[in-house]
Amino acid sequence: KNEVEQSPQNLTAQEGEFITINCSYSVGISALHWLQQHPGGGIVSLFMLSSGKKKHGRLIATINIQEKHSSLHITASHPRDSAVYICAVTNTGNQFYFGTGTSLTVIP
Amino acid sequence: EAGVAQSPRYKIIEKRQSVAFWCNPISGHATLYWYQQILGQGPKLLIQFQNNGVVDDSQLPKDRFSAERLKGVDSTLKIQPAKLEDSAVYLCASSTPSGANVLTFGAGSRLTVL
Repeated sequence: KNEVEQSPQNLTAQEGEFITINCSYSVGISALHWLQQHPGGGIVSLFMLSSGKKKHGRLIATINIQEKHSSLHITASHPRDSAVYICAVTNTGNQFYFGTGTSLTVIP
Repeated sequence: EAGVAQSPRYKIIEKRQSVAFWCNPISGHATLYWYQQILGQGPKLLIQFQNNGVVDDSQLPKDRFSAERLKGVDSTLKIQPAKLEDSAVYLCASSTPSGANVLTFGAGSRLTVL
């Protein structure tokens, strides 16, 4: 069993839809990261959070430490949001555990 | 701030040949990671350095893979001899050493083994 589980694995949405990607983890963490990887591109860090909620533009990330769960929301989705979104957690030993990613396709 | 630099971006070799990848992390980032990412999967840690010491290399196939980080800055990852299943993107990342860290990735080195 992976330390980090994401759902769904694949997601197709119409432009403008509200999108939610979920992440559950089973290890003690010091932080949770949401990463974005465009096809053929590098990995970009979107958020790092250890509690509560963070917002950047149309992206919102929340975390519930008690439930060991985080969500990434995209409001008013756009085709340029099409990418793989990866959830990762850091333990206190500075080790990272990655989910397998959610492949998002936003159709115009 | 300059990002994590990696080279080469692409490499095609035949099986049983050797290859080396280079990484220059963000200045001041003491922790450096090498990850292997196979198409459709999340990154898999190969090795983690703290300065020039190895923190975790439990998933590094040591019969064919080696990595070093001399002087605690640049790092090289070598594969010798390569196998078909080594075809993947090799990602280098760096972070500050303690607490909740921002992980910064390089663009990756895509290896194709024929």
